[in-house]
Amino acid sequence: AQTVTQSQPEMSVQEAETVTLSCTYDTSESDYYLFWYKQPPSRQMILVIRQEAYKQQNATENRFSVNFQKAAKSFSLKISDSQLGDAAMYFCAKLIQGAQKLVFGQGTRLTINP
Amino acid sequence: SQTIHQWPATLVQPVGSPLSLECTVEGTSNPNLYWYRQAAGRGLQLLFYSVGIGQISSEVPQNLSASRPQDRQFILSSKKLLLSDSGFYLCAWLGRPGSNYGYTFGSGTRLTVV
Repeated sequence: AQTVTQSQPEMSVQEAETVTLSCTYDTSESDYYLFWYKQPPSRQMILVIRQEAYKQQNATENRFSVNFQKAAKSFSLKISDSQLGDAAMYFCAKLIQGAQKLVFGQGTRLTINP
Repeated sequence: SQTIHQWPATLVQPVGSPLSLECTVEGTSNPNLYWYRQAAGRGLQLLFYSVGIGQISSEVPQNLSASRPQDRQFILSSKKLLLSDSGFYLCAWLGRPGSNYGYTFGSGTRLTVV
């Protein structure tokens, strides 16, 4: 079974600083999609960033960027200039091709200290 | 534009009562639809998914069932709720490959079984 692992249950960072959330995954597929989702206290799941495995260039979305290491099966999320609104649970997820099912990690709770 | 609606937002039900949660998608046709459950402070567990009308795949054997009576409607049901059915239920649909590829989630239903 394909799995996604987030080894940091909780992280905290000072406002305006940079934080990196870790994610590793297991797969035998050569082409796939990876995602980071944010879940604020409202519990609405919000797509933060997407990475296609065949693209070597790391995805970026404003203050959010990823470090995608395909050989190491690692997909970390970097948040620059952290803001209070970034406080949330962050989930790493991988889309299983064929069945097109999304497998999630257990999440990392990010706290932003003012 | 595509939107996803999920209701009710909150539900408190006694043990042994039936359940019906509804999810509808607008602005797309023949979407892949998914039901996830999230226990408190935990990751998301895939319960059911559907690739078309009347086509339901179950991921975890349990007290729940799903149906897809119409192209853009996905229903999660139970004949008799258990305490262990409490949780946060999320419906999602998978968009087409392209710039917006990924899951879009509904706003969720918080179910408490008492």
